[in-house]
Amino acid sequence: SQTIHQWPATLVQPVGSPLSLECTVEGTSNPNLYWYRQAAGRGLQLLFYSVGIGQISSEVPQNLSASRPQDRQFILSSKKLLLSDSGFYLCAWTPGLAGGIGDTQYFGPGTRLTVL
Amino acid sequence: AQSVTQLGSHVSVSEGALVLLRCNYSSSVPPYLFWYVQYPNQGLQLLLKYTSAATLVKGINGFEAEFKKSETSFHLTKPSAHMSDAAEYFCAVSSRGSYIPTFGRGTSLIVHP
Repeated sequence: SQTIHQWPATLVQPVGSPLSLECTVEGTSNPNLYWYRQAAGRGLQLLFYSVGIGQISSEVPQNLSASRPQDRQFILSSKKLLLSDSGFYLCAWTPGLAGGIGDTQYFGPGTRLTVL
Repeated sequence: AQSVTQLGSHVSVSEGALVLLRCNYSSSVPPYLFWYVQYPNQGLQLLLKYTSAATLVKGINGFEAEFKKSETSFHLTKPSAHMSDAAEYFCAVSSRGSYIPTFGRGTSLIVHP
């Protein structure tokens, strides 16, 4: 069966510090991968998605970046965090190749980021 | 372009009462429609999904939703609320041919004893 992992689970960082959040998927190949952010009291905001290694599409211009160094690994980064980067970050995947379009998204457990 | 509107950011019901969470969508092509549930400090998980096989879709935990094309709606219902149903519920639409679903802003379901 497929599983998705995110770490760390919680993170408290000072303004201006760097960020690296990691997401890995097990039990599938060539998944489509997504990063979302939930700010307090708001819905889901799609940040990045990837349909393959090294292929990253950005949905919202900001000080965050994403990378996909391996097929089932998706990393969210920042060089300098802002207060507004605080939120709950969720990684998700859908089947690639034969699936993906219109498919169910499977979410990780999330990372709670607090920027002070 | 597709969009999703969830009426009511908060819905409060008594335990045992009917749950009705509303979702209206707009899509230029026949869509896939989803309801997800999110418990506190957890990721989202699928409740149910409409893919055009049947207009009434049954999901987990006793929830169901009915696709009404004429009303562009996909409301979520449960006959009798349980305390464990308290959570955030998200409606989502994904157009055929798109990798990117559109989520509603979510509805927080509060269940009173």
